[in-house]
Amino acid sequence: QKEVEQNSGPLSVPEGAIASLNCTYSDRVSQSFFWYRQYSGKSPELIMSIYSNGDKEDGRFTAQLNKASQYVSLLIRDSQPSDSATYLCAVVYGGTSYGKLTFGQGTILTVHP
Amino acid sequence: GAVVSQHPSWVICKSGTSVKIECRSLDFQATTMFWYRQFPKQSLMLMATSNEGSKATYEQGVEKDKFLINHASLTLSTLTVTSAHPEDSSFYICSATERYRNTIYFGEGSWLTVV
Repeated sequence: QKEVEQNSGPLSVPEGAIASLNCTYSDRVSQSFFWYRQYSGKSPELIMSIYSNGDKEDGRFTAQLNKASQYVSLLIRDSQPSDSATYLCAVVYGGTSYGKLTFGQGTILTVHP
Repeated sequence: GAVVSQHPSWVICKSGTSVKIECRSLDFQATTMFWYRQFPKQSLMLMATSNEGSKATYEQGVEKDKFLINHASLTLSTLTVTSAHPEDSSFYICSATERYRNTIYFGEGSWLTVV
């Protein structure tokens, strides 16, 4: 059973703080890992993709992947109220069509002023 | 940049009728498109993989006779919800993979309300 689990929320952080979002996945042959942000009533938008072990930084966002631990995380630095949304971790598993995403249940993040 | 367009964005239909949702890649060829469903306060669940020129592959528990998928060209996939019932009310989202680049694009989503 391929599963993607995210840390339970909701998560509330003050403006300017670091928000930490975590995700574990169940299959060792997973290939690609993604973090999406979804505002209420809208389609998901890609924040970050990561394919190899280590850190990947893009502006205020840093994704970390540890394949041995089957763990991927997202750090949001200097959190802003506009970052308030649901964050979805998604995995493309090996042996499947590229683009076939398995999503975690999502973590609701609230950044309060 | 590449865009995936869904139509309609909102649709209300009567119980027992059928409704069609289109997913179109506007400036790239998509041999594979995916259909997801999202109920309120839940995550996206993959319904089916739509393959151009062949039958769709449905996920376990998704009724293929109820959710008809047609991918007749490299730029268009359609999802038809047949004999819709109120429990089919949901947010339906498609995605497409650009043929020569491993990039995933999401459509804007379609809200279906069955009354």
